[in-house]
Parts: sequence; structure tokens; C-alpha cells
Amino acid sequence: EAQVTQNPRYLITVTGKKLTVTCSQNMNHEYMSWYRQDPGLGLRQIYYSMNVEVTDKGDVPEGYKVSRKEKRNFPLILESPSPNQTSLYFCASSLIGRVGNEQFFGPGTRLTVL
Amino acid sequence: KNEVEQSPQNLTAQEGEFITINCSYSVGISALHWLQQHPGGGIVSLFMLSSGKKKHGRLIATINIQEKHSSLHITASHPRDSAVYICAVLPPLSGSARQLTFGSGTQLTVLP
Repeated sequence: EAQVTQNPRYLITVTGKKLTVTCSQNMNHEYMSWYRQDPGLGLRQIYYSMNVEVTDKGDVPEGYKVSRKEKRNFPLILESPSPNQTSLYFCASSLIGRVGNEQFFGPGTRLTVL
Repeated sequence: KNEVEQSPQNLTAQEGEFITINCSYSVGISALHWLQQHPGGGIVSLFMLSSGKKKHGRLIATINIQEKHSSLHITASHPRDSAVYICAVLPPLSGSARQLTFGSGTQLTVLP
């Protein structure tokens, strides 16, 4: 089954404790992206990747890191989480086309930073 | 940066009604996405448009590139259509830019 998986789905942590949210897709998509969703602010892009070893900042990259060492995986790293990073996080992937392609979203990761 | 506005923010309809959700953007785009977010939080892509009109079942999406406007229509609405509908735009192709900008979403509630 074609899908984007994220782990963990729920995480409660404390300020400053490094964490990684994994994202994996099995559709051989070149494009992968991370978004956060907050009440009243909607979805905002954190980082995206056009292919292996190619990443770029989105609208809200501060406090996050990403890597794209393999095509299928795009982990999101919070080196020193803070309470303002409490949010619902989505990973998504798609093919890259001349005018874009359908985005496939992961199930979301609900992160709480105390 | 593109400004994406959706209207209405909230919409309550009776089952069977025809529904329209609007999305306007300020700067030219290469494509527009309509997404559906279920009450449980999952997001599903409904349509991707670069011109014209697309139809899938009871859902129809249109885009007018000149007017920078798109609409999502739901015919014969049903309570299971209750969800948040989000539009997102992709900028014109330039280098490697692939940043999606999202509207704030429309909360649709369809009453039986």
C-alpha cells in the first residue's frame, strides 16, 4: 500500500531533550516536506527536500533540522525542543512535475513540549 | 509571498445542499491544491489544479488563473463531508522553489 508513515504518532517531552520524528514513504517520491499545524495559524512549511541531499527552508525553519540521506526517509530533528514547538506535525511527499503533483500526507505527529 | 484567503471560515449546511468554498491568492501560481482534513486530523489530497476544472464523484474544483481564484463545490452534501477544507498554492517554477502556501481552512459541518 502506498503510504507515508510517521513515528511517533504522539510524543510528550521536556524542554531541551533532543528528539527525532521519522518520516518514510514507499512511493519513490523525490519531494518530501514537513509542516506544522497550529490553531489559528493553519499549516506552515518547515523544511522541504527536492531529492537526496537537497533540502531547503520553508516558512518556519527555526529550531528544526532535517536530513535526506535516502530517498524514502526525511527525519525532522529538534535539537533542543521548546514549548513553542508544541504542535501537530505532518510529513508529506510527492513526485516532482512541471506543475506540481498530488501531495501524500502522513498521519501526523502530535508533539507536546513541557 | 503569496497571500491565500479562504471563505467562508465556517460553513454549516443541511444534508443535500450544494456547497461552495472559495480560495483567492495574490500572486501567480503554477498549481493549486485542495485538501481535506478529517476530524481525526488526517489530511487527504482532493485535487491538484493548474487550469480549468476537475471532478471526482460529488466534488468539483475549478480555477480561474486570470482572476487568481479557485472554488471547491460539493453537490448533494452528506454529513460524512464534514471536515476542514484547505487550499494551498504552489509558486511559479523558479529554480528549486517548491514552497506550498496554505489558506487558513474552511470548517464545513453538514447536518443530517
